[in-house]
Amino acid sequence: EPEVTQTPSHQVTQMGQEVILRCVPISNHLYFYWYRQILGQKVEFLVSFYNNEISEKSEIFDDQFSVERPDGSNFTLKIRSTKLEDSAMYFCASILRGGGESPLHFGNGTRLTVT
Amino acid sequence: AQSVAQPEDQVNVAEGNPLTVKCTYSVSGNPYLFWYVQYPNRGLQFLLKYITGDNLVKGSYGFEAEFNKSQTSFHLKKPSALVSDSALYFCAVIRSGGSYIPTFGRGTSLIVHP
Repeated sequence: EPEVTQTPSHQVTQMGQEVILRCVPISNHLYFYWYRQILGQKVEFLVSFYNNEISEKSEIFDDQFSVERPDGSNFTLKIRSTKLEDSAMYFCASILRGGGESPLHFGNGTRLTVT
Repeated sequence: AQSVAQPEDQVNVAEGNPLTVKCTYSVSGNPYLFWYVQYPNRGLQFLLKYITGDNLVKGSYGFEAEFNKSQTSFHLKKPSALVSDSALYFCAVIRSGGSYIPTFGRGTSLIVHP
């Protein structure tokens, strides 16, 4: 069964540094998402992406965050200047079609640790 | 706005016993409801969903859930728990006709004891 893949599995960075989290969604999927999960807390929506543009974003997704689909397969999340509170598990997800009925297909996540 | 509450951080059950993981939701209009499971160091995996129709939905690994509109609940159940069911379980809601962005609960850790 096709999977969403995320790299790296763990990223350690210093406060103020830029990080790029990478995702390869399932190949024929059209809608892409980033969620994050701070340890012990709920899974929070960051951003959704469709047709090469952001379709929706949450309050968390401020100017420090950006997403890109540079080559038709990768889907990246960039944090320009990391803060301690950005430490979390970041999940990429994709679905074939919109409308809400399709469940999300998640990757295994990238654990980001900001020191 | 839409929200999900999973009132129990942890549920403990003995192997072979029935299990229930609770979920209540708040949404204006009709909900789409989902359960996902997360094993250690893995992403969330889809278990089952309610979109419309029969209130009792069946999913993967013998799990089922019952949609109760009057109680705004969507509890996850299994008649006989296995040790391998031990994992983190997330309930999620989407408002039909809304933005179609799922809102997740905090998750419930299910521990099945041998």
